[in-house]
Order: sequence, then structure tokens, then C-alpha cells
Amino acid sequence: GQNIDQPTEMTATEGAIVQINCTYQTSGFNGLFWYQQHAGEAPTFLSYNVLDGLEEKGRFSSFLSRSKGYSYLLLKELQMKDSASYLCAVSSDSWGKLQFGAGTQVVVTP
Amino acid sequence: DTEVTQTPKHLVMGMTNKKSLKCEQHMGHRAMYWYKQKAKKPPELMFVYSYEKLSINESVPSRFSPECPNSSLLNLHLHALQPEDSALYLCASSFRGEQYFGPGTRLTVT
Repeated sequence: GQNIDQPTEMTATEGAIVQINCTYQTSGFNGLFWYQQHAGEAPTFLSYNVLDGLEEKGRFSSFLSRSKGYSYLLLKELQMKDSASYLCAVSSDSWGKLQFGAGTQVVVTP
Repeated sequence: DTEVTQTPKHLVMGMTNKKSLKCEQHMGHRAMYWYKQKAKKPPELMFVYSYEKLSINESVPSRFSPECPNSSLLNLHLHALQPEDSALYLCASSFRGEQYFGPGTRLTVT
């Protein structure tokens, strides 16, 4: 079957680092996405990994290991505005069909 | 520029009404998508259009009818909806795998 797992909630202090893990088992793999979604808003694209390794974009980094079916999103120097849901999604075919994990709610405290 | 626009932002309709949601992108993306998102759940794929042709229909009820008039526009025609169809409807487009969402239309069916 198809499965994408990520923790339900994580809490961290402003200025700290948080790592959100995502494990997946899908019938195909054409890339892994991370999105940020604030309550009541649409998902915002953060990263897209196709090859193994670490991709860094400012305060956000994303890592992928295809052999382990594993990815993580690293958020550094946390700010209050980073409080949001973070969605891990896998594209399992060439049409770009995305399957989403349930999302990880990150709460940043002062 | 990674902008996908959607209109209207909010829509309230009765179960006997006919309405349409509109999505537009001018990034030259050839794949476009409709997703449905209920509160506190991840987005669920409804339809995929590739090069203006319907590629995937995720067994969506016929009261939802997609249309792709040209490479920049995607419509979702709604007819005889049920209260449980109330949700955030998201349009997305993609290029080289990277998939970007529009702001969504919040639909309420009364």
C-alpha cells in the first residue's frame, strides 16, 4: 500500500532548530515535496528533492534518502511566523500526482 | 514568478446552484491540477490536466466537471453539490516536477 508518515506535532523555541521527519512507502517515486501551510491558507512550496542528498534554501533545508524511503525538513533559526503545518508529499508518477502525509503542526514558542 | 491565481476567493452556493471556479497561470506550465482540502486534512487530488487533456480523474463524482479551455486556464464546474462538498478547493500547476498552489477557493454549500 501507499504510506507517508510524519509526526503530528512538534514544539520548539524561537531561534532553535527543528527537524521534521517523513518516511514513505509508495508504488513509484518521482520526487518528494515539502510545503508550508498556515491555517486557512494554501500550501506554499518549500522544496523538491529528486536525488539523494541535502538541498539548502536559506533557513530551510531538505534531505532525501531514496533507499531508506526517508526525508527530513530542517528549519533553522526558528521565527514565530514559522508556526504552521508542514506537509510532506510524494510524487509517485510522471503526471505529478501528489500523495500527502497528514502534516506536522509546528508550534514556535517565545 | 510562481503565481497561480484563483477566483473567487470565497463562494457560498445552494445545492441546486451551478457555479464555476477559475484558475489561471501564466508561467507556461503544461500540467494543472485540482485538489480538495477539508479542515485539518491534507489536500486530496481530484483531477490532473497535462497539455490541456484530462490525464487523471480520481473517481470524482460527476457533480464536479473540470475544463481546460487553454494552457493557462483551468475551470471546475459545480452542479448539485452536497453540504459535505464544502472545502477549500486548490488549483496547482507544475513545471519540471515543482508544483505550485494557488490561494484556493473556500466553498460553502448550504
